[in-house]
Amino acid sequence: GVTQSPTHLIKTRGQQVTLRCSSQSGHNTVSWYQQALGQGPQFIFQYYREEENGRGNFPPRFSGLQFPNDSSELNVNALELDDSALYLCASSSGARTEAFFGQGTRLTVV
Amino acid sequence: GIQVEQSPPDLILQEGANSTLRCNFSDSVNNLQWFHQNPWGQLINLFYIPSGTKQNGRLSATTVATERYSLLYISSSQTTDSGVYFCAVYNNDMRFGAGTRLTVKP
Repeated sequence: GVTQSPTHLIKTRGQQVTLRCSSQSGHNTVSWYQQALGQGPQFIFQYYREEENGRGNFPPRFSGLQFPNDSSELNVNALELDDSALYLCASSSGARTEAFFGQGTRLTVV
Repeated sequence: GIQVEQSPPDLILQEGANSTLRCNFSDSVNNLQWFHQNPWGQLINLFYIPSGTKQNGRLSATTVATERYSLLYISSSQTTDSGVYFCAVYNNDMRFGAGTRLTVKP
């Protein structure tokens, strides 16, 4: 399945954070989402074969990487209090096929 | 961008009751998925259903793409069905509704 690390994280405002995701075997597309408390997940960006393949309405301080083994990172610079959320990673065998989600990383910015 | 609306926002049932959750979307979509989010935050896949009807045990789903809606049916509800149910549609990117929070009381 899709695995994410770490499961929980506490950071201070202004710091930088890296979240990691390992895709399901055979999947070449990974997407990241931010879910604030009480809301539905919001699309951050998608990577396909190591290239960004779509981006939601998030500032450039949210950046990502996808590696040849289809694992992925989400990096957030200059953390703000509003970045506190559950961050979800999803993998799929294509941009428009069924997506499978990891358990999420809960980030708290203090 | 595409709008996704789910109804009702909250639903409280007695164990054994049936329910219908609705998802309306504002434009044509390439795919549609239903998820159940457990208390720990993980999204559990229920159905991948761009069109037509599927059934899995006590759950079934129908998507009428031409009329831009999907329905999730839960029959003989159990306390373990409690949680938030999300509909997500894919056009240029995956958009989620705000969810339906289901509480099943024993």
